[in-house]
Amino acid sequence: QVQLQESGPGLVKPSETLSLTCTVSGGSISSYYWSWIRQSPGKGLEWIGYVLDTGTTNYNPSVTGRVTISVDTSKNQFSLRLSSVTAADTAVYFCVRSRWLQPLDSWGQGTLVTVSS
Amino acid sequence: DIQMTQSPSSLSASVGDRVTITCRASQPIGTYLNWYQQRPGKAPKLLISVASNLYSGVPPRFSGSGSGTDFTLTISSLQPEDFATYYCQQSYAILPWTFGQGTKVEIK
Repeated sequence: QVQLQESGPGLVKPSETLSLTCTVSGGSISSYYWSWIRQSPGKGLEWIGYVLDTGTTNYNPSVTGRVTISVDTSKNQFSLRLSSVTAADTAVYFCVRSRWLQPLDSWGQGTLVTVSS
Repeated sequence: DIQMTQSPSSLSASVGDRVTITCRASQPIGTYLNWYQQRPGKAPKLLISVASNLYSGVPPRFSGSGSGTDFTLTISSLQPEDFATYYCQQSYAILPWTFGQGTKVEIK
């Protein structure tokens, strides 16, 4: 069974860049869509974007211009970079697997990132 | 963006009750509608895919229905472990994928 694990700093200063990595184990990174989803404290879920094993990406317009999602197939990892962060980017960030038109079927446990000086 | 609107935002129910949660999409999405359960401090877990398909390992007291713009999640007999927040999500071909705001099911 596939497992996903987020890693990265839990505290980022305003205006800096948030960087997270998701390590995929128990399955191949090929043939799936790999997404980042965040959940602000006490709020709902927001899809940030996805990457394929080919490196093809698609992003939510709400973060376009600040976000980069990349993949490293040799390490079975994919990563999120979100620049110019503000307090509004404080959230639990989840890495998630799906296929096109299919549900988000496997989730990492999530990692809290706080934006604060 | 396709807006997903759930109702109610919260509800109180007792063990054994039948519970229904609705989700409305701002435009037709066929049956590309999924339901998730989230317990506090945990990641969401998939319950129902493509409107009515029960995901592997999910108890049969959960069911889903609907197509187009209107969907429902039903729990036929609420169990103690079902007290959680439920989200709908559209996985249609129009990005961004979006979620409902959630329905919190609490103990009466």
